[in-house]
Amino acid sequence: EAQVTQNPRYLITVTGKKLTVTCSQNMNHEYMSWYRQDPGLGLRQIYYSMNVEVTDKGDVPEGYKVSRKEKRNFPLILESPSPNQTSLYFCASNDRGYSNQPQHFGDGTRLSIL
Amino acid sequence: RKEVEQDPGPFNVPEGATVAFNCTYSNSASQSFFWYRQDCRKEPKLLMSVYSSGNEDGRFTAQLNRASQYISLLIRDSKLSDSATYLCVVIRTSGTYKYIFGTGTRLKVLA
Repeated sequence: EAQVTQNPRYLITVTGKKLTVTCSQNMNHEYMSWYRQDPGLGLRQIYYSMNVEVTDKGDVPEGYKVSRKEKRNFPLILESPSPNQTSLYFCASNDRGYSNQPQHFGDGTRLSIL
Repeated sequence: RKEVEQDPGPFNVPEGATVAFNCTYSNSASQSFFWYRQDCRKEPKLLMSVYSSGNEDGRFTAQLNRASQYISLLIRDSKLSDSATYLCVVIRTSGTYKYIFGTGTRLKVLA
């Protein structure tokens, strides 16, 4: 089954404790992206990756890091989480090689930073 | 001004009604368009792509107007299960290849 898998689905943690949210896709997609979604603000892109070892900042990259060492994985790293990073996070992927290709989303990660 | 704009709603309609949403985009280099559906705090799911000639999928019809830079979604014979937030998505290919999401239009179908 084609899917994007995020882990964990839920996490409550404390300020300053490094955490990683994993994202994996099994569709051999080139393009992967991380979004956060906050009430009234919609989906905002944090980082994206066009392919292995190619990453770039989205609209709200501050406080986040990513890596793309393998095509299937695109982890999101919060080195020193702060309460303003409490949000709902989505990973998404698509095959950029063709036009008109929609993104496939993971189930989301609810992150609470206390 | 946001690059993709939607009326946030909510649109409250009775079952069986026809409802339409518009979404405007400001970048004429936008090339591909989609409607996604998102249920409360769940992942967005593709509802339909939007083609230049317009397209239909059951009770749902999508239209693109490049001259006026908007896309629309029409839902006929609304069902209770259609209650959700509908996100307009635009792919911009000039400069950085990017998916731009609208903030969504909330629909409530009432019994």
